[in-house]
Amino acid sequence: QVQLVESGGGVVQPGTSLRVSCEGSGFTFISYAMHWVRQAPGKGLEWVAVMSSDGNKKYGDSVKGRFTVSRDNSKATQSLQMSNLRGEDTAVYYCAKGRSGWPNDAFDLWGRGTTVTVSS
Amino acid sequence: DIQMTQSPSSVSASVGDRVTITCRASQGITNYLAWFQQKPGKAPKSLIYAASSLESGVPSRFSGSGSGTDFTLTISNLQPEDFATYYCQHYNTFPHTFGGGTKVEIK
Repeated sequence: QVQLVESGGGVVQPGTSLRVSCEGSGFTFISYAMHWVRQAPGKGLEWVAVMSSDGNKKYGDSVKGRFTVSRDNSKATQSLQMSNLRGEDTAVYYCAKGRSGWPNDAFDLWGRGTTVTVSS
Repeated sequence: DIQMTQSPSSVSASVGDRVTITCRASQGITNYLAWFQQKPGKAPKSLIYAASSLESGVPSRFSGSGSGTDFTLTISNLQPEDFATYYCQHYNTFPHTFGGGTKVEIK
């Protein structure tokens, strides 16, 4: 079964760090770019980051310098290390699979999301 | 950054109606445009990529068109399961910006 499963969400205080992960199954993980998208409560979708199959990384403006994307192809897992978290980072974080290994391509599969709440 | 503007922000329609949603990019993106459907409390679902290509398993009543800066998503013969929020997204350059969403509601 082709799927993505996120994990690692939780409640954290402002200024702290958190790592969320996404495990893929049912497809050749190493061959595809993997993205992160987030959705704040009651708001629309915001693209966060991507890591291509060859390791190229790109970030959205609001997270650049604070978030780092990585992947472990041997475990079919990508991770998003979030540091210096702010209240506006509170959101459901989704991972999404690209249609190819290239970072400028559409998504074809989404995970169910993991919730990150930043609050004192 | 490229801005994506969707209209309308909401639309009321009845089962069987034809609904058209538009998405305008602040600069040309050729056909690097995708559409997604999201139901409350659920993850988004990919519907269309490359402006007009239907994802596998998506009903043929969904169609997309456009190129450059202006795009449309059309739902023909609206079904009860189609009431949801729809988003466009470009993937031409970084960041891959989403539109603000269009909520399709039951009239």
